[in-house]
Amino acid sequence: KAGVTQTPRYLIKTRGQQVTLSCSPISGHRSVSWYQQTPGQGLQFLFEYFSETQRNKGNFPGRFSGRQFSNSRSEMNVSTLELGDSALYLCASSRVGLTIRYNEQFFGPGTRLTVL
Amino acid sequence: AQKITQTQPGMFVQEKEAVTLDCTYDTSDPSYGLFWYKQPSSGEMIFLIYQGSYDQQNATEGRYSLNFQKARKSANLVISASQLGDSAMYFCAMREGDRGGADGLTFGKGTHLIIQP
Repeated sequence: KAGVTQTPRYLIKTRGQQVTLSCSPISGHRSVSWYQQTPGQGLQFLFEYFSETQRNKGNFPGRFSGRQFSNSRSEMNVSTLELGDSALYLCASSRVGLTIRYNEQFFGPGTRLTVL
Repeated sequence: AQKITQTQPGMFVQEKEAVTLDCTYDTSDPSYGLFWYKQPSSGEMIFLIYQGSYDQQNATEGRYSLNFQKARKSANLVISASQLGDSAMYFCAMREGDRGGADGLTFGKGTHLIIQP
């Protein structure tokens, strides 16, 4: 079974631009979560999508948005990029069930975004 | 207050020795899960082991075991017989409640483990 894939793997943008990152979950997984990882703040939860609906969102400004398609693939968008948005963006997919263990998240390799 | 605390920013360990990575957590939810992930320099998060708050026994997965002390809110990862390939960042993470996976994981700051030959 193929794992979580993220594209692109590396991205360089300049301040003020916008960027779209893509995530394809493991087949059969309907929940997709996004995380931002920076040296200063560590790993922080951005948002989670299930059945094309955002169910939860972390403490990030409105410049960060996402969506999920009917095939469970997800994209996240960052508008008006700032230097502080430079980070590794990780996507994770999971099944959806009644127990925490069942909802274990499987992570992709990440997209490393550099904002100049 | 931090929900997940990892007090060891970095550790150097000799190959073949056992390693204990510390993790304490804070939650008032009776239902929660604790995860440990390994992140090599490539960036991908690799799941290692899981412990549920209602689990009676400590979790084990091959060379990995979890020393779960619920009253102390501690979930330390133990790696037996360390190998050079164990060198990586290690993160402790928690998910609270059973909301069908809607809640994200809360991560600690991580421990950078270096195994020396």
